[in-house]
Amino acid sequence: ETGVTQSPTHLIKTRGQQVTLRCSSQSGHNTVSWYQQALGQGPQFIFQYYREEENGRGNFPPRFSGLQFPNYSSELNVNALELDDSALYLCASSLAGINQPQHFGDGTRLSIL
Amino acid sequence: RKEVEQDPGPFNVPEGATVAFNCTYSNSASQSFFWYRQDCRKEPKLLMSVYSSGNEDGRFTAQLNRASQYISLLIRDSKLSDSATYLCVVHTGRRALTFGSGTRLQVQP
Repeated sequence: ETGVTQSPTHLIKTRGQQVTLRCSSQSGHNTVSWYQQALGQGPQFIFQYYREEENGRGNFPPRFSGLQFPNYSSELNVNALELDDSALYLCASSLAGINQPQHFGDGTRLSIL
Repeated sequence: RKEVEQDPGPFNVPEGATVAFNCTYSNSASQSFFWYRQDCRKEPKLLMSVYSSGNEDGRFTAQLNRASQYISLLIRDSKLSDSATYLCVVHTGRRALTFGSGTRLQVQP
Protein backbone atom coordinates (compact mmCIF):
# COMPACT_ATOMS: atom_id res chain seq x y z
CA GLU A 1 0.00 0.00 0.00
CA THR A 2 1.48 3.35 -1.06
CA GLY A 3 1.09 6.17 1.42
CA VAL A 4 0.46 9.85 0.79
CA THR A 5 3.38 11.54 -0.92
CA GLN A 6 3.97 15.26 -1.28
CA SER A 7 6.40 17.32 -3.30
CA PRO A 8 8.52 19.28 -2.93
CA THR A 9 9.59 18.75 0.69
CA HIS A 10 10.92 22.29 1.08
CA LEU A 11 10.44 25.46 -0.93
CA ILE A 12 11.60 29.04 -0.61
CA LYS A 13 9.71 31.81 -2.40
CA THR A 14 9.49 35.59 -2.22
CA ARG A 15 6.47 37.79 -1.64
CA GLY A 16 4.20 38.10 -4.64
CA GLN A 17 5.31 34.87 -6.30
CA GLN A 18 3.10 31.89 -7.02
CA VAL A 19 3.61 28.31 -5.87
CA THR A 20 2.21 24.88 -6.73
CA LEU A 21 2.38 22.01 -4.28
CA ARG A 22 1.62 18.42 -5.24
CA CYS A 23 0.12 15.43 -3.51
CA SER A 24 -0.43 11.80 -4.45
CA SER A 25 -3.10 10.15 -2.38
CA GLN A 26 -2.82 6.80 -0.67
CA SER A 27 -3.86 4.01 -3.02
CA GLY A 28 -7.61 3.43 -2.89
CA HIS A 29 -8.35 6.87 -1.40
CA ASN A 30 -10.61 9.16 -3.43
CA THR A 31 -10.69 12.24 -1.20
CA VAL A 32 -7.87 14.71 -0.68
CA SER A 33 -7.76 17.52 1.87
CA TRP A 34 -5.20 20.28 2.26
CA TYR A 35 -4.16 21.89 5.54
CA GLN A 36 -1.87 24.74 6.55
CA GLN A 37 0.06 24.36 9.79
CA ALA A 38 1.82 27.38 11.26
CA LEU A 39 4.49 26.88 13.90
CA GLY A 40 3.00 25.91 17.26
CA GLN A 41 -0.53 25.54 15.88
CA GLY A 42 -2.70 22.66 14.77
CA PRO A 43 -3.36 22.18 11.06
CA GLN A 44 -6.00 24.52 9.59
CA PHE A 45 -8.30 23.20 6.86
CA ILE A 46 -7.88 24.86 3.46
CA PHE A 47 -10.14 22.75 1.22
CA GLN A 48 -11.09 19.24 0.21
CA TYR A 49 -11.48 17.59 -3.18
CA TYR A 50 -13.64 14.63 -4.09
CA ARG A 51 -14.19 13.36 -7.62
CA GLU A 52 -12.21 16.28 -9.02
CA GLU A 53 -14.44 18.91 -7.43
CA GLU A 54 -13.99 21.13 -4.42
CA ASN A 55 -16.05 19.55 -1.68
CA GLY A 56 -15.61 22.02 1.16
CA ARG A 57 -13.47 25.01 1.98
CA GLY A 58 -12.05 26.60 5.10
CA ASN A 59 -11.47 30.25 5.85
CA PHE A 60 -8.79 30.90 3.22
CA PRO A 61 -8.86 33.60 0.49
CA PRO A 62 -9.41 32.79 -3.20
CA ARG A 63 -5.70 33.05 -3.95
CA PHE A 64 -5.56 29.54 -2.46
CA SER A 65 -6.88 27.22 -5.15
CA GLY A 66 -6.62 23.58 -6.01
CA LEU A 67 -7.20 20.77 -8.42
CA GLN A 68 -7.81 17.06 -8.23
CA PHE A 69 -6.97 14.77 -11.13
CA PRO A 70 -8.68 11.57 -12.30
CA ASN A 71 -6.06 9.49 -10.47
CA TYR A 72 -7.04 11.38 -7.27
CA SER A 73 -3.74 13.22 -7.02
CA SER A 74 -4.06 16.89 -6.20
CA GLU A 75 -2.40 20.29 -6.42
CA LEU A 76 -2.53 23.30 -4.15
CA ASN A 77 -1.82 26.63 -5.82
CA VAL A 78 -1.17 29.83 -3.92
CA ASN A 79 -0.92 33.15 -5.77
CA ALA A 80 0.47 36.47 -4.59
CA LEU A 81 2.39 34.89 -1.74
CA GLU A 82 2.51 36.77 1.56
CA LEU A 83 4.92 36.43 4.45
CA ASP A 84 2.18 34.83 6.58
CA ASP A 85 1.89 32.00 4.06
CA SER A 86 5.09 30.56 5.51
CA ALA A 87 3.97 27.24 7.00
CA LEU A 88 3.92 23.50 6.65
CA TYR A 89 1.36 22.48 4.03
CA LEU A 90 -0.13 19.06 4.62
CA CYS A 91 -2.09 16.89 2.27
CA ALA A 92 -4.32 14.15 3.67
CA SER A 93 -6.19 11.46 1.82
CA SER A 94 -9.09 9.30 2.88
CA LEU A 95 -12.06 7.39 1.66
CA ALA A 96 -15.24 9.44 1.44
CA GLY A 97 -17.36 9.44 4.58
CA ILE A 98 -17.44 11.28 7.85
CA ASN A 99 -15.99 8.53 10.01
CA GLN A 100 -13.06 7.92 7.73
CA PRO A 101 -9.75 8.98 9.26
CA GLN A 102 -7.39 11.01 7.13
CA HIS A 103 -3.83 9.96 6.49
CA PHE A 104 -1.22 12.66 6.03
CA GLY A 105 1.77 13.07 3.81
CA ASP A 106 5.09 14.40 5.10
CA GLY A 107 4.16 17.93 4.11
CA THR A 108 5.82 20.73 2.17
CA ARG A 109 7.59 23.36 4.23
CA LEU A 110 7.12 26.70 2.49
CA SER A 111 9.17 29.71 3.48
CA ILE A 112 8.39 33.18 2.14
CA LEU A 113 11.17 35.76 2.21
CA ARG B 1 -13.76 30.57 21.47
CA LYS B 2 -11.76 27.99 19.53
CA GLU B 3 -13.70 25.07 18.08
CA VAL B 4 -11.33 22.56 19.68
CA GLU B 5 -9.38 23.48 22.79
CA GLN B 6 -6.48 21.69 24.39
CA ASP B 7 -4.05 22.49 27.18
CA PRO B 8 -0.79 23.14 25.29
CA GLY B 9 1.34 21.71 28.11
CA PRO B 10 4.10 20.71 28.15
CA PHE B 11 3.38 17.73 30.33
CA ASN B 12 6.69 16.49 31.72
CA VAL B 13 6.32 13.00 33.17
CA PRO B 14 8.75 10.23 34.18
CA GLU B 15 8.89 6.94 32.34
CA GLY B 16 6.21 4.58 33.57
CA ALA B 17 3.82 7.33 34.61
CA THR B 18 0.19 7.56 33.61
CA VAL B 19 -0.82 10.80 31.93
CA ALA B 20 -4.18 12.09 30.74
CA PHE B 21 -5.07 14.80 28.25
CA ASN B 22 -8.45 16.43 27.85
CA CYS B 23 -9.90 18.29 24.94
CA THR B 24 -13.16 20.23 24.62
CA TYR B 25 -15.08 20.99 21.45
CA SER B 26 -17.71 23.62 20.84
CA ASN B 27 -19.86 22.19 18.06
CA SER B 28 -22.46 19.86 19.50
CA ALA B 29 -23.13 18.53 15.99
CA SER B 30 -19.62 17.05 15.80
CA GLN B 31 -19.84 13.50 14.59
CA SER B 32 -16.50 11.80 14.78
CA PHE B 33 -13.41 12.21 16.89
CA PHE B 34 -9.78 11.24 16.69
CA TRP B 35 -6.45 11.58 18.44
CA TYR B 36 -3.44 12.19 16.22
CA ARG B 37 0.19 12.21 17.26
CA GLN B 38 2.70 14.60 15.74
CA ASP B 39 6.44 14.39 16.22
CA CYS B 40 8.55 17.52 15.84
CA ARG B 41 8.59 18.73 12.23
CA LYS B 42 6.73 15.62 11.04
CA GLU B 43 3.22 14.99 9.75
CA PRO B 44 0.31 14.11 12.07
CA LYS B 45 -0.29 10.37 12.38
CA LEU B 46 -3.55 8.79 13.44
CA LEU B 47 -3.26 7.39 16.95
CA MET B 48 -6.83 6.25 17.41
CA SER B 49 -10.45 7.01 16.68
CA VAL B 50 -12.64 7.84 19.66
CA TYR B 51 -15.96 6.10 20.10
CA SER B 52 -18.87 6.93 22.39
CA SER B 53 -18.40 3.71 24.32
CA GLY B 54 -14.71 4.47 24.86
CA ASN B 55 -11.95 2.42 23.33
CA GLU B 56 -8.56 1.07 24.21
CA ASP B 57 -5.50 0.25 22.15
CA GLY B 58 -2.73 -1.20 24.24
CA ARG B 59 -1.53 1.46 26.66
CA PHE B 60 -3.85 4.10 25.18
CA THR B 61 -7.47 4.66 26.20
CA ALA B 62 -9.76 7.24 24.63
CA GLN B 63 -13.07 8.43 26.03
CA LEU B 64 -15.80 10.64 24.62
CA ASN B 65 -18.35 12.54 26.69
CA ARG B 66 -20.90 14.01 24.30
CA ALA B 67 -22.98 15.65 27.02
CA SER B 68 -20.00 17.67 28.25
CA GLN B 69 -18.38 17.86 24.83
CA TYR B 70 -14.99 16.61 25.82
CA ILE B 71 -12.61 13.92 24.74
CA SER B 72 -9.82 12.39 26.76
CA LEU B 73 -6.71 10.34 26.09
CA LEU B 74 -5.04 8.28 28.80
CA ILE B 75 -1.54 6.91 28.34
CA ARG B 76 -0.40 4.25 30.79
CA ASP B 77 3.18 3.18 31.46
CA SER B 78 4.64 6.09 29.47
CA LYS B 79 7.63 5.37 27.27
CA LEU B 80 10.31 7.77 26.08
CA SER B 81 8.99 7.18 22.56
CA ASP B 82 5.61 8.61 23.59
CA SER B 83 7.17 12.10 23.64
CA ALA B 84 5.29 14.05 20.99
CA THR B 85 2.45 16.51 20.50
CA TYR B 86 -1.01 14.97 20.76
CA LEU B 87 -3.68 16.57 18.59
CA CYS B 88 -7.36 16.32 19.39
CA VAL B 89 -9.36 16.21 16.17
CA VAL B 90 -13.06 16.64 15.57
CA HIS B 91 -15.07 16.05 12.40
CA THR B 92 -18.08 18.36 12.29
CA GLY B 93 -19.51 17.15 9.02
CA ARG B 94 -18.25 20.17 7.10
CA ARG B 95 -15.86 17.93 5.19
CA ALA B 96 -12.95 19.06 7.30
CA LEU B 97 -11.13 17.85 10.33
CA THR B 98 -10.81 20.55 12.98
CA PHE B 99 -7.63 20.26 14.99
CA GLY B 100 -6.77 21.52 18.41
CA SER B 101 -3.42 23.22 18.82
CA GLY B 102 -2.02 20.11 20.47
CA THR B 103 -0.72 19.07 23.87
CA ARG B 104 3.00 18.50 24.14
CA LEU B 105 4.17 15.47 26.14
CA GLN B 106 7.76 14.99 27.25
CA VAL B 107 8.54 11.66 28.91
CA GLN B 108 11.73 11.82 30.90
CA PRO B 109 14.07 8.97 31.85
